Amino acid sequence: ELKVEQNPLFLSMQEGKNYTIYCNYSTTSDRLYWYRQDPGKSLESLFVLLSNGAVKQEGRLMASLDTKARLSTLHITAAVHDLSATYFCAVDIFSGTSYGKLTFGQGTILTVHP
Amino acid sequence: NAGVTQTPKFQVLKTGQSMTLQCAQDMNHEYMSWYRQDPGMGLRLIHYSVGAGITDQGEVPNGYNVSRSTTEDFPLRLLSAAPSQTSVYFCASSYRSGRDNEQFFGPGTRLTVL
Repeated sequence: ELKVEQNPLFLSMQEGKNYTIYCNYSTTSDRLYWYRQDPGKSLESLFVLLSNGAVKQEGRLMASLDTKARLSTLHITAAVHDLSATYFCAVDIFSGTSYGKLTFGQGTILTVHP
Repeated sequence: NAGVTQTPKFQVLKTGQSMTLQCAQDMNHEYMSWYRQDPGMGLRLIHYSVGAGITDQGEVPNGYNVSRSTTEDFPLRLLSAAPSQTSVYFCASSYRSGRDNEQFFGPGTRLTVL
């Protein structure tokens, strides 16, 4: 059974600081997704990571994937209040007919304060 | 494109009642799925479909039925609602083939079972 674990689950940051969210998963996969969710809203896709060593950046967020270590990181640079949200990683596994069966981590609730 | 749409946005049921959550997409995606989101547990896959006429179970299928008669629609049926089914339900869709199979999520249905 695939398990996906995020840490930390709660993250309180000061504006301007850097921090990293970690996503560990238990079985081989080469597809990993990061999503953002604002309170009461749906999931917004941030990054799609498809191969070992993949690194993607968008604004103050950078995601990376190490398939050998079964680890993905989401790095936040110089945090601003607008980044306050819940962040999920999700690992995709092949069902025998297609990809698309996502297993999600528990989510990291990020709060950025002055 | 409207993307992925879900109705209703909110629903309150009494134990034992039945209902159908509607999901539609206009992106010609082959793959559609249903997830439930409970506090502290991320999202969990209920059922999925790789195309019209083809469905399969996810991680938490008990108490739910699905069918897929068209590419566009993927309704989720609760046959006899239970308080344990109180949750937020998200529908998602993606292409079945292709490099990243990025999933697009609907706005969600918040269900309360009394």
